[in-house]
Order: sequence, then structure tokens, then C-alpha cells
Amino acid sequence: NAGVMQNPRHLVRRRGQEARLRCSPMKGHSHVYWYRQLPEEGLKFMVYLQKENIIDESGMPKERFSAEFPKEGPSILRIQQVVRGDSAAYFCASSPPGQGEEKLFFGSGTQLSVL
Amino acid sequence: GESVGLHLPTLSVQEGDNSIINCAYSNSASDYFIWYKQESGKGPQFIIDIRSNMDKRQGQRVTVLLNKTVKHLSLQIAATQPGDSAVYFCAESRYTPLVFGKGTRLSVIA
Repeated sequence: NAGVMQNPRHLVRRRGQEARLRCSPMKGHSHVYWYRQLPEEGLKFMVYLQKENIIDESGMPKERFSAEFPKEGPSILRIQQVVRGDSAAYFCASSPPGQGEEKLFFGSGTQLSVL
Repeated sequence: GESVGLHLPTLSVQEGDNSIINCAYSNSASDYFIWYKQESGKGPQFIIDIRSNMDKRQGQRVTVLLNKTVKHLSLQIAATQPGDSAVYFCAESRYTPLVFGKGTRLSVIA
């Protein structure tokens, strides 16, 4: 049973370009979460999605950031017109539906570097 | 706002000794707590969790203690090993999503 899969592992972008981060949840999991982590800091919640629905996006910046979790395929975190301050590790997590959905299983993350 | 924090940012422990990592939380409504271990370059890995109707829960070499009176959570690691070296995060939840603290770096001295 494969864990949460994220790709790419590392992503380098120049300022103004777009970054697309992908996440495939664990098999049977229908909830996806995106977190962001700066060096030597904790994980900051960004967005919580279920299939085709955004449940909570209270941690998402109002501009340039968007997320989706389509009926088919992985969840995508999209950052438009990246700036240096977007450089961070972005982690995706998933949880099963129903009881115990607070327990999150994390992927290995995507390290975004903006030049 | 509500937040989760830690008393100590770093902890050095001799191999074989027990480790205690502390965490303070401020949201008295939180009813679920969880500890994660994060090794360098990796994602957080689940260690143990506890619900607010419990005071203690044990796993393999790890124990989580919850003191709701003072809003304090701790993780105890027995017989600490070099492989336990990592950053440890506590997180809390009242419904999803989890709110994470800043983390404690545990260094095991051989």
C-alpha cells in the first residue's frame, strides 16, 4: 500500500514563473491537506480538500495560490508568478473518511526554490 | 489567536536514557493531539496520538501524557536510540485541520 506520493521532489523556478505541485493520497483516502514549512519552523496549514471540493482554504494566500483535487487524478497546488518568499517545503497529507480523519499521513514533500 | 507551542526548542540526550519532549497548547477546546517525528529531508511521520478523554497512551517505546488542567502534552521516549534523532512536533485539533507547534530538535549523543 503506497503512501502519500508527491512530485516533484525538488522544483526550481525563476521569479514570475508558475509552480505546480502534485499529490496522490494514500489508497482509500479521500481527504487531502496541503501544508507549508519554512526552515526550522513548524508546518502551516494551507488548504483542505475532498474530491472536487475545497473544504477549508483559510491558510491559503489570497492571491497567486490555488488548489484542486479533481474527481480523477492527483491534487494540485498551483502557485502563479512565484516570488522568492514562496521558497519552502510543501507537504501534502491525506486521511481516510470517517472516524480518525484527524490523523494525517504525510508525503515526503516538494522543496520549492525560487531563484 | 490559538496556537500550539513548545517549551524547549532543542534537547540533547545520552543514548539509552529516556527523553521527554514537552508541548503547551492554548486551545482548551482541542480534543485530539498527535506527535510527529520529522527526519531531515523527509515528511512528518506519525508517532502516537491521544484524545482528550484520555490522560495517557503508550506505544512501542513511546508514551504520550495529556494534562488538560494545564493544557500540556508530553512525549516520552524510552531508551533513546541514535535513530530517534529528529525534530518532534506536537499538533492539536478540534475537527480538522491539525495545528502544529514549532518543533523540538532531539539530538542523541552516542
